[in-house]
Amino acid sequence: EAQVTQNPRYLITVTGKKLTVTCSQNMNHEYMSWYRQDPGLGLRQIYYSMNVEVTDKGDVPEGYKVSRKEKRNFPLILESPSPNQTSLYFCASSLVPRTGRRYEQYFGPGTRLTVT
Amino acid sequence: DAKTTQPNSMESNEEEPVHLPCNHSTISGTDYIHWYRQLPSQGPEYVIHGLTSNVNNRMASLAIAEDRKSSTLILHRATLRDAAVYYCILVQAPAGGTSYGKLTFGQGTILTVHP
Repeated sequence: EAQVTQNPRYLITVTGKKLTVTCSQNMNHEYMSWYRQDPGLGLRQIYYSMNVEVTDKGDVPEGYKVSRKEKRNFPLILESPSPNQTSLYFCASSLVPRTGRRYEQYFGPGTRLTVT
Repeated sequence: DAKTTQPNSMESNEEEPVHLPCNHSTISGTDYIHWYRQLPSQGPEYVIHGLTSNVNNRMASLAIAEDRKSSTLILHRATLRDAAVYYCILVQAPAGGTSYGKLTFGQGTILTVHP
């Protein structure tokens, strides 16, 4: 089954304790992205990656790191989490169009992170 | 980045058509119009997209104004499972590679479907 998986689905942690949220897709997609969703603010893009070893900042990259060493994986790293990073996080993936058409993004089920 | 404007909420009755509007007056010539929806407690899912012509798929239809400054997502017969937040977003065509990936979601329209 084609899917985007995220782990963990729920995480409660304390300020300053480094954590990683994993994201994996089995569709051989070049493009992957991370979003956070907060009440009243909608979905905001954190980082995205066009392919292996190619990443770029979205709208809210501060406090986050990403890496893309393999095509299928795109982990989100919080080196020193703070309470304002409490949010619902979504990973997404898609093909990169060859002809100018944009392909739809497939989203994971979400990771609810609480930083106390 | 070009922005979209959608009503905060809309209501419909089951089995009636629903027309969800989106304004995007600053759309550029190469922006695609994409619609996603987010069901409760789930990640967003793709609904439909278009550039200039109206589009149909198994989920919905997309009507795009001739000047492309607005579009309408049409659910032909709403069901209770269609209750979700619907997002209209503009997606840039690749331009040198770096502008491709950045997506901007707005607040979306909360669709309530009454039995």
